[in-house]
Amino acid sequence: NAGVTQTPKFRVLKTGQSMTLLCAQDMNHEYMYWYRQDPGMGLRLIHYSVGEGTTAKGEVPDGYNVSRLKKQNFLLGLESAAPSQTSVYFCASSQGGQPQHFGDGTRLSIL
Amino acid sequence: AQSVAQPEDQVNVAEGNPLTVKCTYSVSGNPYLFWYVQYPNRGLQFLLKYITGDNLVKGSYGFEAEFNKSQTSFHLKKPSALVSDSALYFCAVRESSGTYKYIFGTGTRLKVLA
Repeated sequence: NAGVTQTPKFRVLKTGQSMTLLCAQDMNHEYMYWYRQDPGMGLRLIHYSVGEGTTAKGEVPDGYNVSRLKKQNFLLGLESAAPSQTSVYFCASSQGGQPQHFGDGTRLSIL
Repeated sequence: AQSVAQPEDQVNVAEGNPLTVKCTYSVSGNPYLFWYVQYPNRGLQFLLKYITGDNLVKGSYGFEAEFNKSQTSFHLKKPSALVSDSALYFCAVRESSGTYKYIFGTGTRLKVLA
């Protein structure tokens, strides 16, 4: 029972490069979320999805795009990476108002 | 606007002593409150939640939380701390707008000393 799986676990990018973070869940959850975690700032919501084919902006969406073409997958894209996007990224999923299930994170460094 | 505050960056407690990690909230309507724990290099794990009912909520690993509506608080407690409880703890509130978005506090690092 994998739960929420994030790939990759680590990545180093140069400024201006692009990349996609993948989140996959096997619990048939409707809701999926992308957060970033920075020291002293807790978790901040980047984008979220309430179902297949739908996405919405969270608290800090600038510089990121998302897609949810399949219910089990939620992709986070950085079109042109900036040093300010160095962070730990977490994906979560949930069913309605139930507690969220989190992946183990992607540690992204942008030089 | 809805918000969550965790006023302590770090809490130190001796093993075997009771622990409290504080959380206050501001929401419109009925609060849906959660506590999560994060161990190094891992994602957040759910501990307990308050939706309605008894003000004392029991959760995983012997943790419990006390909901206090008049003080808008939801403090996490454990009667006897273990060294293995050392971790980062997050309080969260679910927005009441029906979108199932969650607002997290900034986290409190708990250090249990042997």
